[in-house]
Amino acid sequence: DAGVIQSPRHEVTEMGQEVTLRCKPISGHNSLFWYRQTMMRGLELLIYFNNNVPIDDSGMPEDRFSAKMPNASFSTLKIQPSEPRDSAVYFCASRPGQGFQPQHFGDGTRLSIL
Amino acid sequence: DQQVKQNSPSLSVQEGRISILNCDYTNSMFDYFLWYKKYPAEGPTFLISISSIKDKNEDGRFTVFLNKSAKHLSLHIVPSQPGDSAVYFCAASDKGNYQLIWGAGTKLIIKP
Repeated sequence: DAGVIQSPRHEVTEMGQEVTLRCKPISGHNSLFWYRQTMMRGLELLIYFNNNVPIDDSGMPEDRFSAKMPNASFSTLKIQPSEPRDSAVYFCASRPGQGFQPQHFGDGTRLSIL
Repeated sequence: DQQVKQNSPSLSVQEGRISILNCDYTNSMFDYFLWYKKYPAEGPTFLISISSIKDKNEDGRFTVFLNKSAKHLSLHIVPSQPGDSAVYFCAASDKGNYQLIWGAGTKLIIKP
């Protein structure tokens, strides 16, 4: 079975550029999560979607960050404009239903903003 | 305020022996606990979970123990194998809430 698929795996870009990260959740999973991992702060939840609807975006650091889920099989996380402090590994995870179900993670996008 | 704490940043264990990873929590409302394993350059992989109605859950070489009165859980790996070398994260949620609260992780090193 295909797991959560993220692209690109690595992204290096210059400060001020727009960055778009992509995620394809596991088929049939109706909850999707975007996380950011840094050495300083560990794993932080940025936004949570349920049935394609954003439920909690309180973890989105600034207005420069936005996320969409136009359908059940695709989500994007966009940073515009990007800054060096956005450099981190960004993970997408999905989960079937609600309740006592584990989240399944993609392999992440390593983002470097120069 | 760290609600989930993994106090050991790293742990070194001889191959074939038991590895015990520990996790403490402060929120008594937590009722679902998970362990994830993470290799470099990969996402966290779900290992095993336990709900608060149980005090033990076993899956092959992996066993999770929950002590609700002490607000403590542990992951036992027996016997430890070289492929178990990874970072292990403990996570918790309450009432099946979508929000997982994560520990900082423990790096497990299995020595030959």
